[in-house]
Amino acid sequence: NAGVTQTPKFRVLKTGQSMTLLCAQDMNHEYMYWYRQDPGMGLRLIHYSVGEGTTAKGEVPDGYNVSRLKKQNFLLGLESAAPSQTSVYFCASSPTRQQANYGYTFGSGTRLTVV
Amino acid sequence: AQSVTQPDIHITVSEGASLELRCNYSYGATPYLFWYVQSPGQGLQLLLKYFSGDTLVQGIKGFEAEFKRSQSSFNLRKPSVHWSDAAEYFCAVDLGSTLGRLYFGRGTQLTVWP
Repeated sequence: NAGVTQTPKFRVLKTGQSMTLLCAQDMNHEYMYWYRQDPGMGLRLIHYSVGEGTTAKGEVPDGYNVSRLKKQNFLLGLESAAPSQTSVYFCASSPTRQQANYGYTFGSGTRLTVV
Repeated sequence: AQSVTQPDIHITVSEGASLELRCNYSYGATPYLFWYVQSPGQGLQLLLKYFSGDTLVQGIKGFEAEFKRSQSSFNLRKPSVHWSDAAEYFCAVDLGSTLGRLYFGRGTQLTVWP
């Protein structure tokens, strides 16, 4: 099925550990995004990419890094996890604004707990 | 400054009743407007969107939304709510200021009483 796939779906980390979340899309979308969702805070943009090899900071980029070496993949890294990074992480992708089907397609999320 | 406002954090309706979820945005021109729905433990799913043209747009699951330029609003409606509509609903707006960036409201949690 076409869409956005996030791996892993669940993860528990110890404080100070590192990990990488993988997002893959098979719709040939130009834009990709990483959000975190916390109760009462809505969706907050961490980083995004408007094309292969490009990345940009969102609202809450501190403590995270990203890479988009291939158009279909967008990786989110946590170098040294902190309890404040406990959250549900969503990846999304979108075609460009000029296309009729412009709009985000979301993955099903990664639930991360940092202890 | 918050660009997208969903005034209602939580709404409760009875099954079969009508529903209206409010969304207001702060932007001078006509933005691109979206409504998404999130069921528990799931990602967000697109319900409908407005780019231009007819200001009343139809979406999936029997939802519709009306763009009102004079009120800077894009309210979501459904004539008769089903128990399966219980979920969180997010309004999102592309203000055109940042390439491909959607700004999301804080969400409205919908509870449906049987």
